[in-house]
Amino acid sequence: AQSVAQPEDQVNVAEGNPLTVKCTYSVSGNPYLFWYVQYPNRGLQFLLKYITGDNLVKGSYGFEAEFNKSQTSFHLKKPSALVSDSALYFCAVRDPYSGAGSYQLTFGKGTKLSVIP
Amino acid sequence: EPEVTQTPSHQVTQMGQEVILRCVPISNHLYFYWYRQILGQKVEFLVSFYNNEISEKSEIFDDQFSVERPDGSNFTLKIRSTKLEDSAMYFCASSEYSNTEAFFGQGTRLTVV
Repeated sequence: AQSVAQPEDQVNVAEGNPLTVKCTYSVSGNPYLFWYVQYPNRGLQFLLKYITGDNLVKGSYGFEAEFNKSQTSFHLKKPSALVSDSALYFCAVRDPYSGAGSYQLTFGKGTKLSVIP
Repeated sequence: EPEVTQTPSHQVTQMGQEVILRCVPISNHLYFYWYRQILGQKVEFLVSFYNNEISEKSEIFDDQFSVERPDGSNFTLKIRSTKLEDSAMYFCASSEYSNTEAFFGQGTRLTVV
């Protein structure tokens, strides 16, 4: 079974400072990994993904994430945080090799990012 | 930019009533999904749909739930006899292929009273 852990319920960072939102995963094979962001009363907005290839992936709004297979991690990063980055961030994993029809995303519980002016 | 649209944004229904949540996926997408998020909890997978049939469903998706793609554009989730515990935000999503990212709609907040 696949699972995702986001160890921090909340991350606070000062505007202009680098931010990291942590994610670790567990799958039986090679994972597909995703980050989504949710603003208040809004849906989930795709940020970036890792399917294969370069371990460092770049996404929307200056975010990036690094796939680390040995540590089973996919931490989300941004060099300089903006107040507008304040939102709920979800890491998600899919194990395409888990069996027939393995399409489902398994989400972490989310990390609330607060960027302080 | 194309997006997934869901209607209604908020639905209040009495326990035991049937509800239909509607979604219009992105037009060239082939894979469709429903997820739900109970307030304060994780986003949970309900069902995936491809080629006019269910490709995968979770334990949550019991006989009270059904999905349908009645025409070329709509994708619906029906709950036959709602329970209080069905109260949640329901998200529709679609993806172009099975290995591409899913795009989510804004959600329908279902409140069962």
